[in-house]
Amino acid sequence: AQSVTQLDSQVPVFEEAPVELRCNYSSSVSVYLFWYVQYPNQGLQLLLKYLSGSTLVKGINGFEAEFNKSQTSFHLRKPSVHISDTAEYFCAVSPIIQGAQKLVFGQGTRLTINP
Amino acid sequence: IAGITQAPTSQILAAGRRMTLRCTQDMRHNAMYWYRQDLGLGLRLIHYSNTAGTTGKGEVPDGYSVSRANTDDFPLTLASAVPSQTSVYFCASRKSGIRAGELFFGEGSRLTVL
Repeated sequence: AQSVTQLDSQVPVFEEAPVELRCNYSSSVSVYLFWYVQYPNQGLQLLLKYLSGSTLVKGINGFEAEFNKSQTSFHLRKPSVHISDTAEYFCAVSPIIQGAQKLVFGQGTRLTINP
Repeated sequence: IAGITQAPTSQILAAGRRMTLRCTQDMRHNAMYWYRQDLGLGLRLIHYSNTAGTTGKGEVPDGYSVSRANTDDFPLTLASAVPSQTSVYFCASRKSGIRAGELFFGEGSRLTVL
C-alpha cells in the first residue's frame, strides 16, 4: 500500500516570497508522483507530475517539484508567490504498475499569501 | 464547455434517507472516480470504474454504491445516509491509455447529513 504525508497543514507566506510545500511518501513499489491544486470552491487541477527522467519537474504557474528517491520526497516550490496562488495543494502517488489508475492523496497543505 | 458536471452542488439530508449524487462527463473518458474530501484527511477514493459496465471499490466504499451503465454517467448512491457521510464529494475522470494521465475533477457536491 501507499501513503502520502504532507508535513504542513497550513503555510502562510508574504507575496513575492519563496515557498516550499513538503511531501513525503511511502511505497514498496515504484510510483508516479503528482501535485494537484484546489482553488476555493473548485475541483482539483493538475499542477505537475513526475513519471521518470529528470528529477526536477516544472509545472504550470511557475511551480516546480523535485523528486528525491532516497528521501522518498517530492517537495513543491515556487521562487516568488502571488496572491492568486492562495489555494490548497495536494500531493498524490500511484503505483507505476497500476498506470496511475488510482491515486492516493496526502492530507493537503493550505497556502495563504499575505500582501 | 467540456468537463465534468456534478449535481446537486449542495444538499442537506436527514439520516436514513437515500441520496444519489450525479456525475456526467462529456470528454468520453473511460475511467471515472468518486472521492470524498474531509478536513485533515485529503481525498479518499470511494469507488471507481475503468470502463462502462465495470466498477471497483476504493479505500472507503462502505455505505456507497455506484453504477456505470454508459461512458458518460457515474452516479454515487448512499442507500441510507449517516452523519459520518457528511463530506464534499468529487467526481473525476481520466482518459485511459495515456501514461499517468491527468485526472479531471468536477466542482464537488457538498453533502450534510443530519
